[in-house]
Amino acid sequence: DADVTQTPRNRITKTGKRIMLECSQTKGHDRMYWYRQDPGLGLRLIYYSFDVKDINKGEISDGYSVSRQAQAKFSLSLESAIPNQTALYFCATSASDTDTQYFGPGTRLTVL
Amino acid sequence: GEDVEQSLFLSVREGDSSVINCTYTDSSSTYLYWYKQEPGAGLQLLTYIFSNMDMKQDQRLTVLLNKKDKHLSLRIADTQTGDSAIYFCAEKPGGYNKLIFGAGTRLAVHP
Repeated sequence: DADVTQTPRNRITKTGKRIMLECSQTKGHDRMYWYRQDPGLGLRLIYYSFDVKDINKGEISDGYSVSRQAQAKFSLSLESAIPNQTALYFCATSASDTDTQYFGPGTRLTVL
Repeated sequence: GEDVEQSLFLSVREGDSSVINCTYTDSSSTYLYWYKQEPGAGLQLLTYIFSNMDMKQDQRLTVLLNKKDKHLSLRIADTQTGDSAIYFCAEKPGGYNKLIFGAGTRLAVHP
């Protein structure tokens, strides 16, 4: 079984809809991250969390919110989706001692 | 500021060596990473190097770090078609709890 899972894997939605992307991990890591990937831009950090009570903005947090419901779960929400949020979204986790990040398989989101 | 740069594309013949280069700007970076992304998949950690090392070898992979020039390279020996993927370089600046990624280098392996 995969250590970091994301649901859904693919989602098509319309402008203005609220969308939630889920991430779960069985690695026992404290730290979790949400990134988006756009062609030619690499990965950009949206939000990150170092434990259940900790939420931090990344470089592109506008238009997104997150919730760390438990150590193993970190969800990303788009309150009102817009077309330029069409991208591939990745969740990642790391242990606090090494910070080496392990990635989920990604969610492909299309906003029409 | 923090910036990681990579060339966007590399094409090699099967069996040859591939060398993917990366430059970074933050001299305080403690760890530098190489990740591999195959089509339709997430990023897979290939290897990493601590900033006090200048070389790390792991089977067909060799990582070279030149701290003076802030240059990192990944050499893949005997490149195979299964090595075709996008390779991301990433740095972890000192004092930061996040990674800075390059845009990725697409490696194409042809017969």
